[in-house]
Amino acid sequence: GAGVSQSPSNKVTEKGKDVELRCDPISGHTALYWYRQSLGQGLEFLIYFQGNSAPDKSGLPSDRFSAERTGGSVSTLTIQRTQQEDSAVYLCASSLEARTSGRVGNTGELFFGEGSRLTVL
Amino acid sequence: AQSVSQHNHHVILSEAASLELGCNYSYGGTVNLFWYVQYPGQHLQLLLKYFSGDPLVKGIKGFEAEFIKSKFSFNLRKPSVQWSDTAEYFCAVNPPYSSASKIIFGSGTRLSIRP
Repeated sequence: GAGVSQSPSNKVTEKGKDVELRCDPISGHTALYWYRQSLGQGLEFLIYFQGNSAPDKSGLPSDRFSAERTGGSVSTLTIQRTQQEDSAVYLCASSLEARTSGRVGNTGELFFGEGSRLTVL
Repeated sequence: AQSVSQHNHHVILSEAASLELGCNYSYGGTVNLFWYVQYPGQHLQLLLKYFSGDPLVKGIKGFEAEFIKSKFSFNLRKPSVQWSDTAEYFCAVNPPYSSASKIIFGSGTRLSIRP
């Protein structure tokens, strides 16, 4: 598609339920990122994918959070047994990767989706 | 802990005032630096970036930023702001010695411009 697409745009769920958030990146972008944006907290890094593998999962807040990416394209972020503190906007971004100075690096431009607003009651 | 700091949470200016938003990072070594902007109701977009070379970087819409290595800073500036600059501004860093593509964002600065 023309841009990064995320679904659902809004999700209201009850505490303890599982939720799945989907991200469809820009075609051809090999890097895919998940961030969480809470009021006053800025963007919290969760995980990023290089192709289908996740070199860095350090930002996932707990083992209730998991993510996968298949076919080098669509990614799903799953939150199990949701808690009220999970309420936030979950942002997905994709990017081209470029080789700079001998290492694969980011070109610098992340293209963000509109986000999925999660409310846990 | 290593981080990206934006000390100004909310800045209020009148039109035509000059702007400087602070950004400091605590990573040693070579970093790549970015400023992103989120206009009301829109998604985040890149304003400018610094990888190497001239430490004064010019971006879109008249914004610029200066990388000062000795101060671990990458402050965003604009000589004369407009009402349309009302937005949230995020500084971001691609840290060294990490997964090459990891990008860490600061907490953001909300800029409000009085017409």
